[in-house]
Amino acid sequence: NAGVTQTPKFQVLKTGQSMTLQCAQDMNHNSMYWYRQDPGMGLRLIYYSASEGTTDKGEVPNGYNVSRLNKREFSLRLESAAPSQTSVYFCASTHDRGVSEQYFGPGTRLTVT
Amino acid sequence: LAKTTQPISMDSYEGQEVNITCSHNNIATNDYITWYQQFPSQGPRFIIQGYKTKVTNEVASLFIPADRKSSTLSLPRVSLSDTAVYYCLVGDWDRDDKIIFGKGTRLHILP
Repeated sequence: NAGVTQTPKFQVLKTGQSMTLQCAQDMNHNSMYWYRQDPGMGLRLIYYSASEGTTDKGEVPNGYNVSRLNKREFSLRLESAAPSQTSVYFCASTHDRGVSEQYFGPGTRLTVT
Repeated sequence: LAKTTQPISMDSYEGQEVNITCSHNNIATNDYITWYQQFPSQGPRFIIQGYKTKVTNEVASLFIPADRKSSTLSLPRVSLSDTAVYYCLVGDWDRDDKIIFGKGTRLHILP
């Protein structure tokens, strides 16, 4: 039981490049989330998916797109990376809604130069 | 979603009890209070959750007064390994699909 896995762990992009961050959970959870965390800051919600087939914007959705591929997988895409998107990205999942216990992945450290 | 306010940072010493208070003046009737812990370079980890009065588990206690406008996370006899950021969150179990983490309280335990 791996919990929540994220790939890649580290990534360096040049401005304007695109990439997709992958997240998968094996706990049969309904809801999944993408957060970003800038140095010394708290977590900010980018997008979330309350159930398979649905996605909604969080606090900071601009510059990102998401896909809930199936119940297990929730990907985050940067179409044209900008230096302001340099951050650590965490994926999380929960069985029920956001208030119930969220399980976090190890994070992806992204640097955009 | 109810807004929460907590201290930006706190220092304490090993072996002491640490209390971190969170203010949530506009908490709604169906809102629950949840605390997470985050170590450097890791994702947050759920610590404890409660609705009213007192909740205790093997890691911490959560004290919620009758008016529920604040809550206090209590960590007994802290050690250096308790140095982390602690987040207080408030949300409706039945209604809120998302939850806001905020900046948390950076707790630094000194030897």
